[in-house]
Amino acid sequence: DVKVTQSSRYLVKRTGEKVFLECVQDMDHENMFWYRQDPGLGLRLIYFSYDVKMKEKGDIPEGYSVSREKKERFSLILESASTNQTSMYLCASSGTGTANEQYFGPGTRLTVT
Amino acid sequence: RKEVEQDPGPFNVPEGATVAFNCTYSNSASQSFFWYRQDCRKEPKLLMSVYSSGNEDGRFTAQLNRASQYISLLIRDSKLSDSATYLCVVNKGNTGFQKLVFGTGTRLLVSP
Repeated sequence: DVKVTQSSRYLVKRTGEKVFLECVQDMDHENMFWYRQDPGLGLRLIYFSYDVKMKEKGDIPEGYSVSREKKERFSLILESASTNQTSMYLCASSGTGTANEQYFGPGTRLTVT
Repeated sequence: RKEVEQDPGPFNVPEGATVAFNCTYSNSASQSFFWYRQDCRKEPKLLMSVYSSGNEDGRFTAQLNRASQYISLLIRDSKLSDSATYLCVVNKGNTGFQKLVFGTGTRLLVSP
């Protein structure tokens, strides 16, 4: 079974803190993705990576950065957390090809106070 | 206009009913289409891909109408376990990349 794990299920941070969200997949997938999910807005793509050390902006990259030093690991970084970044963050991975299934991690509920 | 639009529901149906969800998308260059299912407080999971010729998987049938930029999902003989949110998903990526756009979902509640 494909497994995508995320470092925390729940996280509470203060405004201005630097936040790291970690994601690990065990299926040797080339593609990895970070989304946030908010009520009424659905899932929105923040960043994705199609190879080690490669990254591409998604639809809402402002206020975020990412790192992919190893194929299995994709990190999302909030350089200076703000209250409008309170959300559910979901990581996903997939193999190459546009029709491949994306496998999601369980999500991290981040609250910024 | 949203890139992918769905009726949020909820659709309340009794067990055994047939229910249909619709979805429209705005990018005519989109190449691949999916329905994902998301249970309450869980991650999304792929239900089925949607092919131009239409496809069926057990009680589930998906249809694509490229001319109208419209995707549908039909569920026959609804089960209690079908209660979930169904996400319409379109890949707007080109050059071989996946850039999925998710609809906000249609909530289905199946009652005994």
